[in-house]
Amino acid sequence: ILNVEQSPQSLHVQEGDSTNFTCSFPSSNFYALHWYRWETAKSPEALFVMTLNGDEKKKGRISATLNTKEGYSYLYIKGSQPEDSATYLCASLEYSGGGADGLTFGKGTHLIIQP
Amino acid sequence: EADIYQTPRYLVIGTGKKITLECSQTMGHDKMYWYQQDPGMELHLIHYSYGVNSTEKGDLSSESTVSRIRTEHFPLTLESARPSHTSQYLCASSAHEQYFGPGTRLTVT
Repeated sequence: ILNVEQSPQSLHVQEGDSTNFTCSFPSSNFYALHWYRWETAKSPEALFVMTLNGDEKKKGRISATLNTKEGYSYLYIKGSQPEDSATYLCASLEYSGGGADGLTFGKGTHLIIQP
Repeated sequence: EADIYQTPRYLVIGTGKKITLECSQTMGHDKMYWYQQDPGMELHLIHYSYGVNSTEKGDLSSESTVSRIRTEHFPLTLESARPSHTSQYLCASSAHEQYFGPGTRLTVT
């Protein structure tokens, strides 16, 4: 079983500030890295699926980078807004040659944007 | 928005009862999954399916069982609920990325 670590566990940020947090994962047998945004009482929402080393993806004010050789990904939020408050999950998918392709999740970073 | 549904959303039930958590999706995905999340912990894969009549155990051992008789439907059953089954259960389906349902929060008293 993979070990996916996220830090920090929780984060309080002032509205308008930019922030970032980290996901680390085992780099052997890496297949893909997923980022999700999970608001309370809602379904986790897919943000990014990243597969290539050096990949950088952007969606509005949110962007993510990927380093598969050292096993980490950063998620950045520019100009935080109250609606960005959520738990951000990262999940790694290991290449298994046709076996299980369920995701291995970290515990998440709980982000609170303070007005 | 993904079309994947779970019922009930919340369930409080006594020890020893049989329960079935429903999951359905209208996207025609072959792959479906069940994840379990205990409070303060990660989501863990407990069951998955590659299509009709396919069911497999996930990384985390679970006393629950699943069935996949129709592509769109992937119910999870606990034959005799115990307090240790208190958790949140999320269903997902995928073609490329995984789409999640809103979850069922189960409390066994």
